Amino acid sequence: AQSVAQPEDQVNVAEGNPLTVKCTYSVSGNPYLFWYVQYPNRGLQFLLKYITGDNLVKGSYGFEAEFNKSQTSFHLKKPSALVSDSALYFCAVRDVDSSNTGKLIFGQGTTLQVKP
Amino acid sequence: DGGITQSPKYLFRKEGQNVTLSCEQNLNHDAMYWYRQDPGQGLRLIYYSQIVNDFQKGDIAEGYSVSREKKESFPLTVTSAQKNPTAFYLCASSMGTGVTEAFFGQGTRLTVV
Repeated sequence: AQSVAQPEDQVNVAEGNPLTVKCTYSVSGNPYLFWYVQYPNRGLQFLLKYITGDNLVKGSYGFEAEFNKSQTSFHLKKPSALVSDSALYFCAVRDVDSSNTGKLIFGQGTTLQVKP
Repeated sequence: DGGITQSPKYLFRKEGQNVTLSCEQNLNHDAMYWYRQDPGQGLRLIYYSQIVNDFQKGDIAEGYSVSREKKESFPLTVTSAQKNPTAFYLCASSMGTGVTEAFFGQGTRLTVV
């Protein structure tokens, strides 16, 4: 069965410093991976996805993610954090089943707190 | 503007009542989904639909029902059989084919009073 783990409930970083939000996955077959961000009482916004190709994926708002097949990881990164990046971040993997439905399996989320 | 609209934003339900959450999209997406979000648990899939007049149970379908009579609409009914309905409910849609991202509505917060 497919699964996603976000090992940190919360990540704290100072504004201007680089940030990393961790995600590991377990899938049978090729992994299709996504990152979403959620601001309080709002829906999820898509940041980026990995399907195939270059291991470094660039997304919205200056975020990028590095796919590492050997470590089964897909960590979210940003070179310089902003206070406005403070939010809840979700990693997700596409649920690959026989019906090819496009369902997503989500991690439990990581709260990013960027302090000025 | 293209997008997904959920209504209402806040909903209060009395014990024993059924309530219906609305989800409408104008993205011309084939697939639609309902997720439930509880603190610290991520998102869990309730129901999904890949095409009009067809839908499938997700991981936590008990106590919920859906319909898909139009491509644009995928309402969710929380029935009295759902014993713990207080949660944040998110509707999403996607192209349904290929590896495309899902687009989410702004959510409905349901509280039992």
